[in-house]
Amino acid sequence: QSVLTQPPSVSAAPGQKVTISCSGSSSDIGNNYVSWYQHLPGTAPKLLIYDNNKRPSGIPDRFSGSKSGTSATLGITGLQSGDEADYYCVTWDNSLVLFGGGTKLTVL
Amino acid sequence: DVQLVESGGDLVQPGGSLRLSCAASGFTFSNYWMHWVRQAPGKGLVWVSRINSDGSRTSYADSVKGRFTIFRDNAKNTLYLQMNSLRVEDTAVYYCGRVGNGAFYFEKWGQGTLVTVSS
Repeated sequence: QSVLTQPPSVSAAPGQKVTISCSGSSSDIGNNYVSWYQHLPGTAPKLLIYDNNKRPSGIPDRFSGSKSGTSATLGITGLQSGDEADYYCVTWDNSLVLFGGGTKLTVL
Repeated sequence: DVQLVESGGDLVQPGGSLRLSCAASGFTFSNYWMHWVRQAPGKGLVWVSRINSDGSRTSYADSVKGRFTIFRDNAKNTLYLQMNSLRVEDTAVYYCGRVGNGAFYFEKWGQGTLVTVSS
């Protein structure tokens, strides 16, 4: 069982918006930055959001991140079929790195 | 171009050992913290271990502590994971990831290498 809690799955139609939540505690999310990754099993994960709400170059502004207290949220607007993947939140807790359990996004 | 290429994955019996490698290119390897992350079949990504840029500091997930050792050779631009006393539950795709100094996110990942522990 992951320390960071994410919904197992979310779904929405093409063009719609979806949000993925990540819940932690005061010692992890509450005291550290959160990053988000897109992953298709067997391929390299891809950084979408870092430091809670920053996008690396090349990541479209359809992807956004936010953090409040001990929770973080990834938002994806204008859903495309290519967005179908697993999404993970990550944060640090002292010397350990914590991953959320992952959320499978289905574009209907 | 920044590249991380894992290798060394194989089929091994329970109780056996295996060494994974992660070859880095396209950047100054010795400037970066490096991590190992794994994904068991049908499961999510799980952090395994990390090492600082000069190899003097390491951390491990409780599930592998005492069995796995992370180390690096900055002269060869290569990260390693020595895995001993392997268990069936260690079966996973193992990924290496790069984290910048002072950063708290994985900037770059490899494609992964499959480790299967089975009799």
